[in-house]
Amino acid sequence: DIVMTQTPLSLSVTPGQPASISCKSSQSLLHSDGKTYLYWYLQKPGQSPQLLIYEVSNRFSGVPDRFSGSGSGTDFTLKISRVEAEDVGVYYCMQSIQLLTFGGGTKVEIK
Amino acid sequence: EVQLVQSGAEVKKPGATVKISCKVSGYTFTDYYMHWVQQAPGKGLEWMGLVDPEDGETIYAEKFQGRVTITADTSTDTAYMELSSLRSEDTAVYYCVSAFDIWGQGTMVTVSS
Repeated sequence: DIVMTQTPLSLSVTPGQPASISCKSSQSLLHSDGKTYLYWYLQKPGQSPQLLIYEVSNRFSGVPDRFSGSGSGTDFTLKISRVEAEDVGVYYCMQSIQLLTFGGGTKVEIK
Repeated sequence: EVQLVQSGAEVKKPGATVKISCKVSGYTFTDYYMHWVQQAPGKGLEWMGLVDPEDGETIYAEKFQGRVTITADTSTDTAYMELSSLRSEDTAVYYCVSAFDIWGQGTMVTVSS
C-alpha cells in the first residue's frame, strides 16, 4: 500500500501570511499515462472534504488562486499565498494511482 | 446540480450490520466509480472500497475485506455500503465520493451497546 505522510501536523498562521504543507508518498505517483495522481482537499469544520487541487497543480473550479500545488514523483507541496480566515480546517493529500490513500491531515488555524 | 445525498444517521449495537445509501443526481451514475471513506471522530480519512456502477465490480481495502459490501443499483442511481459485525471502532462518519470532487454529506454511524 502507498503511504502518504503529511507535515506539519498543525499550523497556526497570521491572516495574510503564507502557509505551506508537505506531502510525501512511499511510491511514485507518476502514472504511465504521464499524469501524477495527487490531490489536495480541505475539510472545514463540520463539513465534507472539498477538492482544492487535482493532479498535483490544477486548481479545481472555484478554488481561489491563493492556493497552489507543486511537486513531482513522491514529494508534493500545497501553498497558500495569503491565508484568510475561511481557510481554517484540515488539509489532506490523497493519491489515486493505486486505490486511494490519504495523508494524516494538517490542521490549519488562524493566530 | 451534481450531488450525492446519503441516508441518515444510524445507531447500531455491536455485532449488527448497517447499510448506508448514496443517491446520485446531476450526472450519469455509471460514468464514475463510487468510493466509500470512513472518518472516525477526530481522525483522518480512510478509504474503504469502491464499486464500478457500470458492471458492479468492487475493490475493498484490506482492513475492511470480509465485512464490507459495496453495491450499485443503476435503476435508482444509488450506491450502497454495508458494514457487518459492527464494533465500537466502527463509530464514524461514512462518506460516498465520486470522481474525487463530489462528496456526500456524510452519514454518522454510532455503534454502542
